[in-house]
Amino acid sequence: AQKITQTQPGMFVQEKEAVTLDCTYDTSDPSYGLFWYKQPSSGEMIFLIYQGSYDQQNATEGRYSLNFQKARKSANLVISASQLGDSAMYFCAMREGSGYSTLTFGKGTMLLVSP
Amino acid sequence: GAVVSQHPSWVICKSGTSVKIECRSLDFQATTMFWYRQFPKQSLMLMATSNEGSKATYEQGVEKDKFLINHASLTLSTLTVTSAHPEDSSFYICSARDFLDNSGTRDTQYFGPGTRLTVL
Repeated sequence: AQKITQTQPGMFVQEKEAVTLDCTYDTSDPSYGLFWYKQPSSGEMIFLIYQGSYDQQNATEGRYSLNFQKARKSANLVISASQLGDSAMYFCAMREGSGYSTLTFGKGTMLLVSP
Repeated sequence: GAVVSQHPSWVICKSGTSVKIECRSLDFQATTMFWYRQFPKQSLMLMATSNEGSKATYEQGVEKDKFLINHASLTLSTLTVTSAHPEDSSFYICSARDFLDNSGTRDTQYFGPGTRLTVL
């Protein structure tokens, strides 16, 4: 079974609108971390936001917020007020266990922001 | 934020030659670095975990004799693709782990800009 599932291969959004990128995960470990990375066409992976399994509140970083629903095992990324520069590939990733472990990535979602 | 560099950003080589890719953490010390491979329109696949001062841990299916990893210092890890062949052409990207606190509960990986390898 896939540990990280991103069901949206591609998403379109108009500039200044909000968009939600879906991510569900599968783990039996009570301690885990969830990450979102952005990969523009240049190839670099840019860290966006982190959510720990024991965090009480949803993570926010500027225009990025993570809609963490633990019971449903989902960690959707919400981008508010989309900008043209947000067009990129977005990857959800999970680290299982408390530190010292590797990341497992989803297949990614391509986001295109139109004027 | 934590900065990771990679060199070269792209390389073209002939089949049978070896290519070395460097990964450096510029403003922090990284006891652990990771090497990933990414084919076009696909996700990142972890190749190996590189620990400073010890042997790398390779993922299943990755040939350790073909992909040599050396993590000689707290800021530098190298990946050498030995006797490269066209099927080794890919985007290679490294990351370094930066603990925000001593407990490592956040354990964020920061990525280099990647190296595009083309083997002719």
